Formats: sequence, C-alpha cells, structure tokens
Amino acid sequence: GNSVTQMEGPVTLSEEAFLTINCTYTATGYPSLFWYVQYPGEGLQLLLKATKADDKGSNKGFEATYRKETTSFHLEKGSVQVSDSAVYFCALSRATGGFKTIFGAGTRLFVKA
Amino acid sequence: KAGVTQTPRYLIKTRGQQVTLSCSPISGHRSVSWYQQTPGQGLQFLFEYFSETQRNKGNFPGRFSGRQFSNSRSEMNVSTLELGDSALYLCASSLEGGLGEQYFGPGTRLTVT
Repeated sequence: GNSVTQMEGPVTLSEEAFLTINCTYTATGYPSLFWYVQYPGEGLQLLLKATKADDKGSNKGFEATYRKETTSFHLEKGSVQVSDSAVYFCALSRATGGFKTIFGAGTRLFVKA
Repeated sequence: KAGVTQTPRYLIKTRGQQVTLSCSPISGHRSVSWYQQTPGQGLQFLFEYFSETQRNKGNFPGRFSGRQFSNSRSEMNVSTLELGDSALYLCASSLEGGLGEQYFGPGTRLTVT
C-alpha cells in the first residue's frame, strides 16, 4: 500500500540555519506530493505541492522537488526563522476515486533565536 | 473566501457517551474528509464524503460514523466513547478536479474522561 516516511524529530536549529527534512514515499501510480505545516493549536496548512516527477514546489522560502527515481520529496529552506517553528508533515494523495491523503508521522522543528 | 470551520473547538465527554462534531467546508468544495490526530498514531484517515455519499473509509470501528448534507456540511459521530478516542479531530475539504490538496479546519479537541 501507499506510505510516507519522514525523518524523526525534533529538529533544533539556530535562526538562519539551513533546513532539510527528509521524506520518502511508497505508492502505486503517480500520486501528488505535499508538505503541510501545523502551528501550535491550529489545523494543518498546505505549504507546497508537486504533482509530477521533477516538479518543484515552493512557498515562503521552502522548496521540495518530486524525485521519482529516489521516491523522495525532501523539504528545504535556506535560512529558517523562529516563526518557522512548527510540525511539518509530508503527504501523498491521489485525486482519482476520491481524496485520501496519507501522511508521514510529522517532524517537529524548533528554531532558536 | 472563508476557510473550513469546525465546531465545537473543544469538547469534554465521559466514557460511554456519544459525540457529534460539525464541519463546514470552503464554499464550492464538495469533498469533506475527517482525520484523527493523536500523539501516538499521528494523522489517521477516518472517512471522506462527496455529494452526501461516503466515498472512502479508513480502518476505524463502526462507532465512528459520518454524514454529509446537501450543502456539503458534514458531521461525524462517535458513539460509546472510549478513553482512546481522546484526540484532535480534523476536517478537510477539497475541490473536485483538483490535484489532491486539502484545506484543513482548526480541529475539534475531544477529551474523554
């Protein structure tokens, strides 16, 4: 079946450090891939998405590239801020036959000033 | 456009009771999905409704049920509550014909005592 594996946290970084959160997936066919972010006390927000191989999703300085050959969708940001502290979820979804998103376990990020 | 709204935001119930949670999707979104989020199990898919029909279902016991109304609003019901049902219940809406991205509400925090 479909599954998503992402690196365990927590990840603790200093402000302006480089961020990488690894994500790999197992899926049949060609799913869309997503990163969602959850701030304390809130629901999930869509951060970025990619729908086919070699697509790069980007938003708010975050980027991730859909790598079919390595079945990966790693999240990167060049310079993190304290306000980026949150839990990040990698996810895959197929929009045919209805919506059923499969989420990774989440990676908590702490950014220190 | 207003986002996904969920009511109530917080709920405390006793074991054995039942509970109903409500979700109003983004205007124009006809798919509504429900997820259970717990520290131990992460985000788990409960079910998805589209045009008043359950289209997808996760691996939860029959105590968990849902429905969708003609205006796309959805409710989920949990009967005979157990302590393990304590969780954040998230609702997400999606646009049919989209790329699989989902838009989440803030969640309902259910505590079972």
